Amino acid sequence: QVQLVQSGAEVKKPGASVKVSCKASGYTFTEYTLHWVRQAPGQGLEWMGWINVGKGDTKYSPKFQGRVTITGDTSANTAYMELSSLTSEDTAMFLCAKEVGPTRQFDYWGQGTLVTVSS
Amino acid sequence: QSALTQPRSVSGSPGQSVTISCTGTSSDVGGSNYVSWYQQHPGEAPKFMIYDVSERPSGVPDRFSGSKSGNTASLTISGLQAEDEADYYCCSYAGSNPYVVFGGGTRLTVL
Repeated sequence: QVQLVQSGAEVKKPGASVKVSCKASGYTFTEYTLHWVRQAPGQGLEWMGWINVGKGDTKYSPKFQGRVTITGDTSANTAYMELSSLTSEDTAMFLCAKEVGPTRQFDYWGQGTLVTVSS
Repeated sequence: QSALTQPRSVSGSPGQSVTISCTGTSSDVGGSNYVSWYQQHPGEAPKFMIYDVSERPSGVPDRFSGSKSGNTASLTISGLQAEDEADYYCCSYAGSNPYVVFGGGTRLTVL
């Protein structure tokens, strides 16, 4: 069965960077686009960007452009999301999600990685 | 402010029906067949409930249905059950960046 397993919780200081991983199994990793979504405590879902794993190309939301980098390692079936220049507003759960074909809809989600930004 | 507008909360009694609206623009909901809905229980990841406006993934009860009229999509839950109490988010493909937009979420309370 399809699974997306994310790395563990992180605590970072303001100004630092964080890199979160999302390991996929149960499907052909290179055939589907993976997205990253941010969810602040008690808040809604916010799209950050995607990676077309097979082609390696990426798209980022204008809100995160310049601070976020999404990469993929096809040999490890793992995608990564790195967010730099962290502020307290980045204290949130970060989720990866597998796309259903080229439709920007998400059939499987990772369990989430909590990133806490605190001095 | 979220790109798509949802009511903050709705409620209903067991067995009743509720509808959650999701209003966008002609650039997203109104112009896209890729409107989806997600259910999220506290502390859990979102769950895929509706795709392509009105299609149900395998395993989702037929009590859940989706529709769209103009720039507004809707999720209807009939025969409410206690386990339906959760947050619900709509999502749409948008033709320009940001290419994916979510609603702010609606808290469903089963009375």
